[in-house]
Amino acid sequence: RKEVEQDPGPFNVPEGATVAFNCTYSNSASQSFFWYRQDCRKEPKLLMSVYSSGNEDGRFTAQLNRASQYISLLIRDSKLSDSATYLCVVNPSRNGNTGKLIFGQGTTLQVKP
Amino acid sequence: EAQVTQNPRYLITVTGKKLTVTCSQNMNHEYMSWYRQDPGLGLRQIYYSMNVEVTDKGDVPEGYKVSRKEKRNFPLILESPSPNQTSLYFCASRDRGRNEQFFGPGTRLTVL
Repeated sequence: RKEVEQDPGPFNVPEGATVAFNCTYSNSASQSFFWYRQDCRKEPKLLMSVYSSGNEDGRFTAQLNRASQYISLLIRDSKLSDSATYLCVVNPSRNGNTGKLIFGQGTTLQVKP
Repeated sequence: EAQVTQNPRYLITVTGKKLTVTCSQNMNHEYMSWYRQDPGLGLRQIYYSMNVEVTDKGDVPEGYKVSRKEKRNFPLILESPSPNQTSLYFCASRDRGRNEQFFGPGTRLTVL
């Protein structure tokens, strides 16, 4: 089993749709979770951190379910510019104070006009 | 401008010819990492460093070496490259107390 698993997609959705991605992780000791965005083989960039209580940034909502060991990303009112690959990232250490990060393989989103 | 730079951006080489990919960051970050990205496998960590002279293996360290003699630089060394090291490589850095990791623009390496 991979340490961090994502459905690679692609997810093809029309503009304005709401789309959700899930990501599961295997190490129950993990404390820090993130979503990164990567455009067409460019460098990944941090989209948002994921907090235990869930957090929202504009049209994006991230949630963490520790009991089931998954995190989710919800995108509302999809825009063409949201087309990208979304990477789930987990810091597997108990205190988060380590250089080690584990990336999922990414979920590709294609928003169509 | 705060950034992570990598050189070269593109490299085609032959099996067995030693090469070094440089990485430099100007943000005074403690943590630096090297990743490779392959289709269907995502980003996999090769090595990481938590400070000068402190390095540790990631998930796929075989065939690679790193060094961290200065805080800003973290070169990736392939002593004897092989075709299975053909990949897209990213260097990254982050501040110890913060979550955001900054990536370099990537180095596309082809080993023939």
